[in-house]
Amino acid sequence: AQTVTQSQPEMSVQEAETVTLSCTYDTSENNYYLFWYKQPPSRQMILVIRQEAYKQQNATENRFSVNFQKAAKSFSLKISDSQLGDTAMYFCAFALLMLTFGGGTRLMVKP
Amino acid sequence: DSGVTQTPKHLITATGQRVTLRCSPRSGDLSVYWYQQSLDQGLQFLIQYYNGEERAKGNILERFSAQQFPDLHSELNLSSLELGDSALYFCASSVAGTSGMNEQFFGPGTRLTVL
Repeated sequence: AQTVTQSQPEMSVQEAETVTLSCTYDTSENNYYLFWYKQPPSRQMILVIRQEAYKQQNATENRFSVNFQKAAKSFSLKISDSQLGDTAMYFCAFALLMLTFGGGTRLMVKP
Repeated sequence: DSGVTQTPKHLITATGQRVTLRCSPRSGDLSVYWYQQSLDQGLQFLIQYYNGEERAKGNILERFSAQQFPDLHSELNLSSLELGDSALYFCASSVAGTSGMNEQFFGPGTRLTVL
């Protein structure tokens, strides 16, 4: 079975600064997908970014980018130019047939 | 708005009761997934249906069951409810049956409170 670990329960960052959220996973599979989801106070689950394991190039989506290290089974999320609206829970997820989520990191962006 | 709808938004019931949660996927999506988000268990996958048939099963209790109807909407039935079943239940949908290859779009969730 796959496991996903987010070692930072809470983080904070000043507005306009950069923050990196960590995620590690454990799997014996070679082809899979990884996601970061954002859950703001409204509790809606919003996809932030996705990464295919067979792609070496790190995914980027505007201010969001990932550092995917397949050998190390690491998948961190970097948020640049943090905005107040980025305040949320962030979940890392591993996907084969279904999504397996990490425990989440609560990010607070301070003005 | 993801295009996935869930009803009801909130549900309050008593232990031992049975409830039904409903989900309508995005237009064109054939797969429906159910997830449970609770304080102690985090976000857990329960079950997936693809075009009316069960595709994958996760940590779903025997007291819980689901189905997907010909119009592709899905229902999650929870019976003999216990206090620990209080949680936010999400439905998600995707185009195809393999979750990794297609983005899953999440509904707003149903908040279940068991008293």
